[in-house]
Amino acid sequence: QVQLVQSGAEVKKPGASVKVSCKASGYTFTSYDINWVRQATGQGLEWMGWMNPNSGNTGYAQKFQGRVTMTRNTSISTAYMELSSLRSEDTAVYYCARGQDTAMGTWGQGTLVTVSS
Amino acid sequence: SYVLTQPPSVSVAPGQTARITCGGNNIGSKSVHWYQQKPGQAPVLVVYDDSDRPSGIPERFSGSNSGNTATLTISRVEAGDEADYYCQVWDSSSDHPHVVFGGGTKLTVL
Repeated sequence: QVQLVQSGAEVKKPGASVKVSCKASGYTFTSYDINWVRQATGQGLEWMGWMNPNSGNTGYAQKFQGRVTMTRNTSISTAYMELSSLRSEDTAVYYCARGQDTAMGTWGQGTLVTVSS
Repeated sequence: SYVLTQPPSVSVAPGQTARITCGGNNIGSKSVHWYQQKPGQAPVLVVYDDSDRPSGIPERFSGSNSGNTATLTISRVEAGDEADYYCQVWDSSSDHPHVVFGGGTKLTVL
């Protein structure tokens, strides 16, 4: 079955960077976009951007331009999201989700990133 | 920037019908997707392209979209339907296409 498995929880200090991985299985990794969405505790969903695993093309939400980088390693069917210059407001659960046209059909389990001094 | 507006909460008794709205300017011209999220879990797609259901989603979940309002309808509501629901569109109207989520609606089953 289609599955996205994300890396484990992270604790980072303000100003640091975090890199979250998302390993795909059960389908051809390069055939579907990967989106990244985050959710702060008690808040709604916030889209961060997308990546085409075949071409490597990306599109980022304006809020995160300059701070987020989405990459992939096709040999191991894994997508990555790196967020830099972390601040306390970046504390959230980060999800990867497989694109289904303009929807998101399958989601990873989420990765908690805590930013604290 | 395109905005999607959802009511913060909707309450319904078991067996009744819940309707969750998602308002946006001329949203009827866009494809609307709906997600269900239960506490501590990742979102699950329950309706896509306005009214289609992924495999495994009960027929009790349906959607419609016209004018300035899209609606997720849950018939014969069950206790297990209690969750947060989010609508989502792809906004290609600007020079910076992006995904937009509604603020979410908490469905309470009385």
